[in-house]
Amino acid sequence: NAGVTQTPKFQVLKTGQSMTLQCAQDMNHNSMYWYRQDPGMGLRLIYYSASEGTTDKGEVPNGYNVSRLNKREFSLRLESAAPSQTSVYFCASSAEDRSETQYFGPGTRLLVL
Amino acid sequence: QKEVEQDPGPLSVPEGAIVSLNCTYSNSAFQYFMWYRQYSRKGPELLMYTYSSGNKEDGRFTAQVDKSSKYISLFIRDSQPSDSATYLCAMSGYTGANSKLTFGKGITLSVRP
Repeated sequence: NAGVTQTPKFQVLKTGQSMTLQCAQDMNHNSMYWYRQDPGMGLRLIYYSASEGTTDKGEVPNGYNVSRLNKREFSLRLESAAPSQTSVYFCASSAEDRSETQYFGPGTRLLVL
Repeated sequence: QKEVEQDPGPLSVPEGAIVSLNCTYSNSAFQYFMWYRQYSRKGPELLMYTYSSGNKEDGRFTAQVDKSSKYISLFIRDSQPSDSATYLCAMSGYTGANSKLTFGKGITLSVRP
């Protein structure tokens, strides 16, 4: 059972480049989330999707877009990367009636030069 | 004031010590209280979950919630080197679709053999 998978594991971008972070879960969860984790800042929610076809902004959505492609997949796109977006990005999922139990992926380390 | 405050640490203890990790919060609507554990270069995983006030024990771990003081704690008895990780508290006001977790910044614990 793979749980939550993320690709890529590590990426280096130049300022202004774009990229998409991929996330997939195989637990049949309705809800999916994208977080960023920075030293001294903890986990901050970027976007979330309560169910297939819906997405909502979290605490720090500026500079990002998301797509809930289907129930399994939730992608995060950086249209024009900035050094301030250097971070570790985590995708998570949860069952609709157990949102306190979020299952996290292994993370994507992004460096923007 | 941040909604959830957590001592930044780091914290270093000898093997066998009792460890106390704490978070305070300001939002009286929080009802669900979680502790996540994150090993280095991994995603967080749920360690303990408590609804409302009271204590919950699981092996060497005890989670305690005092809603009147807006204070939660995680106690680790007989700490082991394998407990070395970052511990994040998390809270929410409700569970279900559209529920979001608010995380503390995390504290890094090192247990010395």
